[in-house]
Amino acid sequence: ETGVTQSPTHLIKTRGQQVTLRCSSQSGHNTVSWYQQALGQGPQFIFQYYREEENGRGNFPPRFSGLQFPNYSSELNVNALELDDSALYLCASSLAPGGIQETQYFGPGTRLLVL
Amino acid sequence: SQQGEEDPQALSIQEGENATMNCSYKTSINNLQWYRQNSGRGLVHLILIRSNEREKHSGRLRVTLDTSKKSSSLLITASRAADTASYFCATDGGAAGNKLTFGGGTRVLVKP
Repeated sequence: ETGVTQSPTHLIKTRGQQVTLRCSSQSGHNTVSWYQQALGQGPQFIFQYYREEENGRGNFPPRFSGLQFPNYSSELNVNALELDDSALYLCASSLAPGGIQETQYFGPGTRLLVL
Repeated sequence: SQQGEEDPQALSIQEGENATMNCSYKTSINNLQWYRQNSGRGLVHLILIRSNEREKHSGRLRVTLDTSKKSSSLLITASRAADTASYFCATDGGAAGNKLTFGGGTRVLVKP
């Protein structure tokens, strides 16, 4: 158990809808990163939040957005859902970003199916 | 795009045998990490090796890093059925911040 929790565990949506996924970071961690993992592939970096500010973004369109709250929990929002958004969404918390990588601790993921 | 590429993509071994998988990457790194994933669930951190380290051990795990070849290997000794999982390497790209770039993974099946 990493202490990182995500909700919901599973979600089914239809094309065009919007979805919000939630993540609670490990105690003491102020950085949350989000990843998308398509079936049979490795995770891909979506973005990272550090002290409530976006701190880096991967190659994802603007309809993927996020928030980090003062307690360092985080949300991932996806608008105008597409079939290809079906994936496992993982969040990871870490102590801080910086020049030397800190270990990231992953939650169990939210599996999103878009029909 | 994925920086790391694991080799082989899949591996099937008998319990008690050793499992070796390799990872290649493209850019400079500060460190490289290996993760395990069971049945499409969350990733479990196994080991982190820094760019100035060549070898690291943790229990039955041995990781090597060759920055001149931009490659790493993960060895699992005396494998157990519970080691059945997908294994991913991840690099930080050498830049500040914690963006991890993962490979496609090696799927390991340990048969009892």
